[in-house]
Amino acid sequence: DAGITQSPRHKVTETGTPVTLRCHQTENHRYMYWYRQDPGHGLRLIHYSYGVKDTDKGEVSDGYSVSRSKTEDFLLTLESATSSQTSVYFCAISGRDRGLGNTIYFGEGSWLTVV
Amino acid sequence: GDSVTQMEGPVTLSEEAFLTINCTYTATGYPSLFWYVQYPGEGLQLLLKATKADDKGSNKGFEATYRKETTSFHLEKGSVQVSDSAVYFCALSNTGNQFYFGTGTSLTVIP
Repeated sequence: DAGITQSPRHKVTETGTPVTLRCHQTENHRYMYWYRQDPGHGLRLIHYSYGVKDTDKGEVSDGYSVSRSKTEDFLLTLESATSSQTSVYFCAISGRDRGLGNTIYFGEGSWLTVV
Repeated sequence: GDSVTQMEGPVTLSEEAFLTINCTYTATGYPSLFWYVQYPGEGLQLLLKATKADDKGSNKGFEATYRKETTSFHLEKGSVQVSDSAVYFCALSNTGNQFYFGTGTSLTVIP
């Protein structure tokens, strides 16, 4: 158990509405990430954070924003949801793994459907 | 830039068959290498890792050896079970906390 909780786990929303996904960690790791997973595309990084209020864009950041006001929480917001954002969203955290370098751990995923 | 290439799937094997999933990487320096497994409806779980050349990672009967001379980290298991059916991802981490993933290989084991 990597100590990562995503919410909601499943959501159906309408086109044009804002949506926020929440990721909560209990590991006190500095780095947090949001990925999306789609058939034929594998995992794609949306945004990541390297500390409170420190975030940066990944390869598919358009249409998404993030915020990190506390170490343990990383929020992903779809400002105006579109059908192309129907996907499975994974939060991940990374940190030192008992002195053996960094390892990334994933949450259980949030299934988002935009209709 | 850094990248990972893993064999295309899907792979279908009979129970107790030998499994190999190939993974090669491109990276400068000395990356850490990982295999992750994803069961249906779940997130990716760390299966094994290796942090330096010639290290062997192992877990649940799966093994992979970090081969710097061939820039490879192939996943192997001597005898697969139906419960091993999943998608397997090879990954690397080089500097800092940047991670690079392969596209995943789907494995189905039939009784």
